[in-house]
Amino acid sequence: QKEVEQNSGPLSVPEGAIASLNCTYSDRVSQSFFWYRQYSGKSPELIMSIYSNGDKEDGRFTAQLNKASQYVSLLIRDSQPSDSATYLCAVNTGFQKLVFGTGTRLLVSP
Amino acid sequence: DGGITQSPKYLFRKEGQNVTLSCEQNLNHDAMYWYRQDPGQGLRLIYYSQIVNDFQKGDIAEGYSVSREKKESFPLTVTSAQKNPTAFYLCASSPRTSGSPDTQYFGPGTRLTVL
Repeated sequence: QKEVEQNSGPLSVPEGAIASLNCTYSDRVSQSFFWYRQYSGKSPELIMSIYSNGDKEDGRFTAQLNKASQYVSLLIRDSQPSDSATYLCAVNTGFQKLVFGTGTRLLVSP
Repeated sequence: DGGITQSPKYLFRKEGQNVTLSCEQNLNHDAMYWYRQDPGQGLRLIYYSQIVNDFQKGDIAEGYSVSREKKESFPLTVTSAQKNPTAFYLCASSPRTSGSPDTQYFGPGTRLTVL
């Protein structure tokens, strides 16, 4: 079983809609969770981190964490074509190491 | 400007050659990491270092070597023992001891191709 799982997509949404990206993880002791955005041919850039159960909002982005269900999600409101990218979920499994999912490709159509 | 730099951006290697990828950071971060990314796949950890003069193998260390002689620098050597080195190589760093200690920030990457 993979430690961090994401649907590879693509997830297609129209401009202005809410995009919902999901991630599940297997290690119950994980304490830190991250979302990165990666444009084609570029390196990942950090969007958000979340450490506690519940929601964390930053502009158009909301991260949601449910440790009991081992589930973390990223909502993107008012999606723009410039949001089209691959979104990587990462989980800290201890010892300062992150485990990455394979990413979900998001396509926002004008 | 604070950040992480990687060089070169593109690198071509002939069969049997060792090549070294550079990673430098001026963020005063303690920890540094090397990842490999293959098309359509996630990031896989090669080596990481939490302090100077110390480093640990990641999940796919075979055929790679590193050094950490300075806090700012963490070069990766891809040796001839690495049978399939063509990939996108990413260096990252994290504060470890301050702020958000386990948040990792990435350099721009080096794309290595074996000819």
